[in-house]
Amino acid sequence: DSGVTQTPKHLITATGQRVTLRCSPRSGDLSVYWYQQSLDQGLQFLIQYYNGEERAKGNILERFSAQQFPDLHSELNLSSLELGDSALYFCASSVASNTYEQYFGPGTRLTVT
Amino acid sequence: AQSVTQLGSHVSVSEGALVLLRCNYSSSVPPYLFWYVQYPNQGLQLLLKYTSAATLVKGINGFEAEFKKSETSFHLTKPSAHMSDAAEYFCAVSPASGGSYIPTFGRGTSLIVHP
Repeated sequence: DSGVTQTPKHLITATGQRVTLRCSPRSGDLSVYWYQQSLDQGLQFLIQYYNGEERAKGNILERFSAQQFPDLHSELNLSSLELGDSALYFCASSVASNTYEQYFGPGTRLTVT
Repeated sequence: AQSVTQLGSHVSVSEGALVLLRCNYSSSVPPYLFWYVQYPNQGLQLLLKYTSAATLVKGINGFEAEFKKSETSFHLTKPSAHMSDAAEYFCAVSPASGGSYIPTFGRGTSLIVHP
């Protein structure tokens, strides 16, 4: 158990809908990362937050957005969902923004039908 | 720019046999390299990391990897496979300088262990 929690574990929704994925980092970690894992693209970095501020951006679609709240939990919002958005979404956390050690949560499996 | 290539999407070994998972990297700056393991229905867990100290790096669960600059490789090995080693393994690279700490992952290698 990494100490990173993600909810829900599974999510099934229809095309065009909007969903929110939630992540709670390890106690004491200030940085949160979001990744998408799909068969087509592999494991892709989406976005990083550090202490509430966006720190780095990867291959995140404009339909996707994220934020980190004062209590340091983070939410990833996915809108206008398409079939191709079906994937495993991981959250990871680290104690600082300038560290290579990330701790991954168990993921949220999103299925878009 | 940086990338990693993992040779073989699946590797099958017998229990007790040597495990060798291959990773080659491409990086325009000196890299840091990592191996992660993903067990079914779990997130990724760091196995070991190379951060420019010793080129032979020992990790958890008896795994080790050797950084070979001349071959641009960072292969993962374990002398004797256990059934519990069956998982997905990911090689990743980050630049050692430049301020980016975000890893670029390979496509993964699924390790299958036969009794």
